[in-house]
Amino acid sequence: GQNIDQPTEMTATEGAIVQINCTYQTSGFNGLFWYQQHAGEAPTFLSYNVLDGLEEKGRFSSFLSRSKGYSYLLLKELQMKDSASYLCAVIKAAGNKLTFGGGTRVLVKP
Amino acid sequence: DADVTQTPRNRITKTGKRIMLECSQTKGHDRMYWYRQDPGLGLRLIYYSFDVKDINKGEISDGYSVSRQAQAKFSLSLESAIPNQTALYFCATSGGLAGGWDEQFFGPGTRLTVL
Repeated sequence: GQNIDQPTEMTATEGAIVQINCTYQTSGFNGLFWYQQHAGEAPTFLSYNVLDGLEEKGRFSSFLSRSKGYSYLLLKELQMKDSASYLCAVIKAAGNKLTFGGGTRVLVKP
Repeated sequence: DADVTQTPRNRITKTGKRIMLECSQTKGHDRMYWYRQDPGLGLRLIYYSFDVKDINKGEISDGYSVSRQAQAKFSLSLESAIPNQTALYFCATSGGLAGGWDEQFFGPGTRLTVL
């Protein structure tokens, strides 16, 4: 089976930085996705990591350590529109299925 | 036009009724998925299909069935709906690993309430 843990909720101030951690336990790991989901809407793709290290995309960065079963999503220069849930999901090589964590709801305050 | 569409978007039904949720996609993807989302539990996979002749159970398939009518269509049925199937249901598609990773694209969701 797979355990994927991430905090339930985080609050941050507009313009600040927030780091959302995700830990996982799985066999046959083949990559980790981060998705953003605004309330009542579909999840949308943010990033994919399969090798150790940092992937940067504008204000968003994602980090992976395979040996530690750990990833984080870093959101810089927070904007009000970044208020959303952020979903960590692990993909296994066998079956190519995604398993999602419970999501972290981020609230950005003025 | 949206690449992945779901109908209906909202549905209220009664216990014991048969319900079908439909998903269509114009992305030309072979892979399609059905998830349900409950508060605090994230997205959980119900069924998935990697091509028209392929159907696989996900982690919570009990009480559900699916039909892959064509490459572009994947429907989810609740044969006899029960209240704990009240949830937000998402369809997703993916094109395989051609781009280096198998990104899934989600439909807008169907909010189902079973009374």
